[in-house]
Amino acid sequence: SQQGEEDPQALSIQEGENATMNCSYKTSINNLQWYRQNSGRGLVHLILIRSNEREKHSGRLRVTLDTSKKSSSLLITASRAADTASYFCATDGGNFGNEKLTFGTGTRLTIIP
Amino acid sequence: DTGVSQNPRHKITKRGQNVTFRCDPISEHNRLYWYRQTLGQGPEFLTYFQNEAQLEKSRLLSDRFSAERPKGSFSTLEIQRTEQGDSAMYLCASSLADMNTGELFFGEGSRLTVL
Repeated sequence: SQQGEEDPQALSIQEGENATMNCSYKTSINNLQWYRQNSGRGLVHLILIRSNEREKHSGRLRVTLDTSKKSSSLLITASRAADTASYFCATDGGNFGNEKLTFGTGTRLTIIP
Repeated sequence: DTGVSQNPRHKITKRGQNVTFRCDPISEHNRLYWYRQTLGQGPEFLTYFQNEAQLEKSRLLSDRFSAERPKGSFSTLEIQRTEQGDSAMYLCASSLADMNTGELFFGEGSRLTVL
């Protein structure tokens, strides 16, 4: 079963604009991660945020976590055509973040050149 | 290439046949995971190993599915008496149990089509 749901399911924006995706989950977590998946390929880890963190940055990525609302957001700034992919949030209850991960349903992002 | 390797990449089989997928993780990784992903959905957890021990199995892993990691290195996922509902991408991932980043490294997947 899917733990999280991403919103929106699909998003199309012009190159250079910012893209925001949201993830809601159901049970308490220790860590939340975001992954990217290009069509027909495996997943690539983007960033991990722990339950005691509220915001984290990595390059053009900004992730926020609100444990009281059981939600997270992923912001990609200054989008590029290469950012076109599906994005998934994943949660787990372990200490190091790589015990069993439960993935959301994903947001399909299309960057229009 | 030192990433996670999965074989075969594509498998087409007839209903009722058995299929086996192989995953070679990153060599120093002690954890290995299997996920299943259907079109338009996120990956669903099937099972994971720490070294050769299978630590958890999902209820999705019916008695037709079996996974092994006999020497704590590569793993196989076998599906017996395949059904059309087994058609999916089967993803393998590996990690170190104590990696602070929590990152799973995924292979490119094995796509199964059951006719």
